[in-house]
Amino acid sequence: DGGITQSPKYLFRKEGQNVTLSCEQNLNHDAMYWYRQDPGQGLRLIYYSQIVNDFQKGDIAEGYSVSREKKESFPLTVTSAQKNPTAFYLCASSPRHDYGYTFGSGTRLTVV
Amino acid sequence: QQPVQSPQAVILREGEDAVINCSSSKALYSVHWYRQKHGEAPVFLMILLKGGEQKGHDKISASFNEKKQQSSLYLTASQLSYSGTYFCGTVTPYNTDKLIFGTGTRLQVFP
Repeated sequence: DGGITQSPKYLFRKEGQNVTLSCEQNLNHDAMYWYRQDPGQGLRLIYYSQIVNDFQKGDIAEGYSVSREKKESFPLTVTSAQKNPTAFYLCASSPRHDYGYTFGSGTRLTVV
Repeated sequence: QQPVQSPQAVILREGEDAVINCSSSKALYSVHWYRQKHGEAPVFLMILLKGGEQKGHDKISASFNEKKQQSSLYLTASQLSYSGTYFCGTVTPYNTDKLIFGTGTRLQVFP
């Protein structure tokens, strides 16, 4: 079955450590996105990519980095520069801008 | 700037109707609607493109008023499975690659 896989589902890290969240899709979608969701809040855009080897900053990119070396993969690194990294991180993909997004099941990151 | 949704929360009995509104301060190219259940990922419901077309399936439909920069989601004869948080997402003509989500509307349907 086609879909988006995010791993791990839960992640615990110590403050000051970088951590990388995985996102893989087998939908053959060109575009991929990373959103952050805080409790009781909406989704905020971190980074997005329309094609391989190209990506753009979203509204809250500070403290995060991404890469898009393969069409099916869009990993997100949460760096130590991110002041409040504890959140629910969602990866999504779409074939193009006038189609709906398919979301992965998310990674819940807790930094202690 | 993110779109504003209203109301923030709705409580319904099974079979009742609800309307959720989404308003943007910017010109819109398209509007998306998603439903998210607690602890799960958002699920795509529908997309409305420029042209004021009303779309829907089953008992969930939506409208898009470009001039007013607004969209509304209509849920008729609500079912228990409709419970969740509904998000609109807006795309402007200035950057059609960027989807910005609204503040969310929490909908609870009781028997």
